[in-house]
Formats: sequence, structure tokens, C-alpha cells
Amino acid sequence: DSGVTQTPKHLITATGQRVTLRCSPRSGDLSVYWYQQSLDQGLQFLIQYYNGEERAKGNILERFSAQQFPDLHSELNLSSLELGDSALYFCASSEGRSEETQYFGPGTRLLVL
Amino acid sequence: DAKTTQPNSMESNEEEPVHLPCNHSTISGTDYIHWYRQLPSQGPEYVIHGLTSNVNNRMASLAIAEDRKSSTLILHRATLRDAAVYYCISNAGGTSYGKLTFGQGTILTVHP
Repeated sequence: DSGVTQTPKHLITATGQRVTLRCSPRSGDLSVYWYQQSLDQGLQFLIQYYNGEERAKGNILERFSAQQFPDLHSELNLSSLELGDSALYFCASSEGRSEETQYFGPGTRLLVL
Repeated sequence: DAKTTQPNSMESNEEEPVHLPCNHSTISGTDYIHWYRQLPSQGPEYVIHGLTSNVNNRMASLAIAEDRKSSTLILHRATLRDAAVYYCISNAGGTSYGKLTFGQGTILTVHP
């Protein structure tokens, strides 16, 4: 158990819909990262927040957005969903220094039908 | 971030050592070398990381070449539980703010 929790574990929805994925970091961790894992693209970094502020952005679509709240939990919002958005979405957390260990949650499996 | 190259797959027998190689020929002086692994149906799990010197922890050892263009993850005695995809990642430390750029990784199969 990494100490990072993600909800829900599974999500099935239809194209065009909007969903919200939630992540609670390890106690004391200030940084939260979101990654997407699909069969064709592998594991890809989406976005990072540090203590409520966006710190780094990766290949995140404009239809996707995220935020980190004062209690440090984070939400990833996916809108206008397409079939190709079906993937595993992982959240990771770390204390905040860039070279350190990231602890990954169990992931949310999203299926868009 | 430096690009890394790993073999697609490797096989080992239980209780034997495993040496997983990684090339990172474009690595810069401030790039760290990280290894993560992903067991089936789980999120990635940290294994080890280093900058210049060889590193040891309870899970594995990391041997870094003197020119830092390659490294080897060493599992001293493989168990069935070590069967996973192993990712070697080189990130640029402060300038990348910690984001990990995953490649395809090496699928490690451990035979009983």
C-alpha cells in the first residue's frame, strides 16, 4: 500500500460525458502528479500540482483539467469524453522535491463506450 | 529528459540474480536515473534511483557506469513476485519538476 488513494476504481461512461477522478496523496506530500496509461501510448505524464499550484504540464488535452485543493487532494476532470480516452489514470504523490520518489496510487480504470 | 533504451523482455529463474540494462547516452550531468516497476494490475512502484554513485536498498542495487551513459538494475535473488515491467527513467531533476517520462520498459518473466 503506497498510501495514495484513488476513487473510483472503475468508471464506465458514454462518449460526450464528463467525469471526475479523485486522488488523495500520502500524508505530508505536497506534490501530486497525474499519469495516463493506455495500450497504444504507454504511461504518459499529464500534469503536476505542488501545494495547490500547477507546476508542470505534459501531454494533457484541453478537454482535461485538474486542480489541487487546500487539503492537498486533487481532482482530474475529463470532459467531452471520446472512446480513445479509455485508459488507466494514475495519481502519484511526493514530498515536492523533483528528484525524489513518487508513490503511485492503484489507478482508476476508465472505459468510455 | 534523456531518452532511455531497454530490452523489450528478459527472463530469469527464481532465486537467480537478474541484471536489467538501460542505456541513456544523452544523459546530462544533473539527470537522475530512476527505476520503477509495475506489477500486473497495479500502479508503478519505486525501486531505486541514483545520480552518480552505485546505490543499494532492500529491493535492489543500481550500478551506474562511470560515464553515466548506461546503468544496470540488479535484483540479487529473483522471486516470482519480481515478475513485472521494469522502467528505467532519466529525468532532469529540478528543470522537469519531477515528471517521469516512461518508455516501454522491460518485461521480466521469472520462472519457478
